[in-house]
Amino acid sequence: ETGVTQSPTHLIKTRGQQVTLRCSSQSGHNTVSWYQQALGQGPQFIFQYYREEENGRGNFPPRFSGLQFPNYSSELNVNALELDDSALYLCASSWVEGNTEAFFGQGTRLTVV
Amino acid sequence: AQSVTQLDSQVPVFEEAPVELRCNYSSSVSVYLFWYVQYPNQGLQLLLKYLSGSTLVKGINGFEAEFNKSQTSFHLRKPSVHISDTAEYFCAVSQPNTGNQFYFGTGTSLTVIP
Repeated sequence: ETGVTQSPTHLIKTRGQQVTLRCSSQSGHNTVSWYQQALGQGPQFIFQYYREEENGRGNFPPRFSGLQFPNYSSELNVNALELDDSALYLCASSWVEGNTEAFFGQGTRLTVV
Repeated sequence: AQSVTQLDSQVPVFEEAPVELRCNYSSSVSVYLFWYVQYPNQGLQLLLKYLSGSTLVKGINGFEAEFNKSQTSFHLRKPSVHISDTAEYFCAVSQPNTGNQFYFGTGTSLTVIP
């Protein structure tokens, strides 16, 4: 039990729709990162939020966006869904300072049809 | 930019045999190195990490890894595997003080055969 929870666990959406995924960080952590893991692949870094601002972004288009709230919970929003967006989406929380461990949630499985 | 290469996509091994999962990285700056394990339908769990100091790192569940700067490698080893070690293993790098912004390899599927 890592203390990082994600919702929903599974989701089916239609191409072109929008989706919001949620993450509740480990208590006390000030940073949340989001990853996309396609089937049979390693997780790919989407972006990170620190103190409610984006603090680094991977190679993902602007239709992937996020929010971090004062209680350190976070949302990942994806607009204009494409079939290739089907994946497991993972969030991870940690402290940005120092070398502390990142804790991952169990992920949200998104299927785009 | 950093990248990680996991040289073996699948590794079958008999129970109680030793195993090595290979990982090579490239980076123009100093990095931290990690190994994570993922069981079916679950998130990632940290096995071990190298930040600095001793190049031999010991982790959970009897795993260890050795950082080799000249060969840019960070191979994971276990002297005797168990059925419960069957899982997907990911090598990852991050830059210091980035709050763990990881770049992962494509993973190695370890199957332990009874």
